[in-house]
Amino acid sequence: DAGITQSPRHKVTETGTPVTLRCHQTENHRYMYWYRQDPGHGLRLIHYSYGVKDTDKGEVSDGYSVSRSKTEDFLLTLESATSSQTSVYFCAITDRSLSGNTIYFGEGSWLTVV
Amino acid sequence: KNEVEQSPQNLTAQEGEFITINCSYSVGISALHWLQQHPGGGIVSLFMLSSGKKKHGRLIATINIQEKHSSLHITASHPRDSAVYICAAANYGGSQGNLIFGKGTKLSVKP
Repeated sequence: DAGITQSPRHKVTETGTPVTLRCHQTENHRYMYWYRQDPGHGLRLIHYSYGVKDTDKGEVSDGYSVSRSKTEDFLLTLESATSSQTSVYFCAITDRSLSGNTIYFGEGSWLTVV
Repeated sequence: KNEVEQSPQNLTAQEGEFITINCSYSVGISALHWLQQHPGGGIVSLFMLSSGKKKHGRLIATINIQEKHSSLHITASHPRDSAVYICAAANYGGSQGNLIFGKGTKLSVKP
């Protein structure tokens, strides 16, 4: 258990509203990721972070922004939610220890944009 | 063409059967992960492989680097093994450390 929590776990929001999802970790890992999971696509990378204030885009970053002002929190913001952003969002971290690069996922955040 | 392909997409087995799920990748990797996702969403890591074979209980994962292929085997399958199994190719070079995921294999084990 890498101590990852996501919030909120479920949210319904209206088109055009901003939404922020939070990923919190307790283990001081450097690398954090936001993925979305959709039927037929598998997990796709939205944004990732390799340190405080160090972030970069993934393959499906349009319409999303992120921030990491402290090691333990990685925020994903949908600036103006659209129905195409209805999805399950997973935060993940990689533990780059001497034993290898294990990946841990949060429980997921189910977002519905109506 | 997807960089990580899994087969089969769906698999139904009877309890006790030996199960094999395959993963082929076309990218250079540092490691390959096998993940399990139960209905309801939680994703857990089963194995991380960079060579050879690993075993945990009834689960065995193998990788052939030259052929760019990995397999996940489940011996004496049980209904609680019913889940989606996902392979992910990892390249930890540089600052990205991203994973490329297969679309998953949905396994249903009938009692």
